[in-house]
Amino acid sequence: AQSVTQLDSHVSVSEGTPVLLRCNYSSSYSPSLFWYVQHPNKGLQLLLKYTSAATLVKGINGFEAEFKKSETSFHLTKPSAHMSDAAEYFCVVSATGANNLFFGTGTRLTVIP
Amino acid sequence: DGGITQSPKYLFRKEGQNVTLSCEQNLNHDAMYWYRQDPGQGLRLIYYSQIVNDFQKGDIAEGYSVSREKKESFPLTVTSAQKNPTAFYLCASSITDMGNSPLHFGNGTRLTVT
Repeated sequence: AQSVTQLDSHVSVSEGTPVLLRCNYSSSYSPSLFWYVQHPNKGLQLLLKYTSAATLVKGINGFEAEFKKSETSFHLTKPSAHMSDAAEYFCVVSATGANNLFFGTGTRLTVIP
Repeated sequence: DGGITQSPKYLFRKEGQNVTLSCEQNLNHDAMYWYRQDPGQGLRLIYYSQIVNDFQKGDIAEGYSVSREKKESFPLTVTSAQKNPTAFYLCASSITDMGNSPLHFGNGTRLTVT
């Protein structure tokens, strides 16, 4: 069975400081993992995806995530937060097809000026 | 520009009325999806379609119906049987229905039923 847990419902950082959004997953198969970002009243936009190639995945807007099988984690990081990063972030796991995507409950990122 | 268009952005209906949400894509994607998003929850799959004239129920299909008569279009009807229809509805598409194909989302329709 597949599932995903986003460990923080809300993260607050100061502009220019690092961002860490945590995601743990459970999967019976070799998973595909994604991070999406959602700005208010908008659809979701793909930030990055992991599909069993390099374990460190670089995405758009300076974000990256590291797949750690031993820890079943796929945390999202960014070295320096920008005001435009304020949004909701979703971690997603898929193993058996896009009709079997499992979304985390989201982490709302607030960036303080 | 290629993308997914959902309309309208906001929709208001009285209880007991059916309402249809539009979703059109020009990405030439085979697979299309409808998700429902409620505050504090992840997205939940309502219906998906892998090919024209075929669609499958997702996790919360009760009270909803869809059609896929054209590759570009995947409208969702929220029927009066849906007990709690007020939500943010997101349409998405992907090249294939394989799990490693990322989803492309529309900007959503916020439905309010009173």
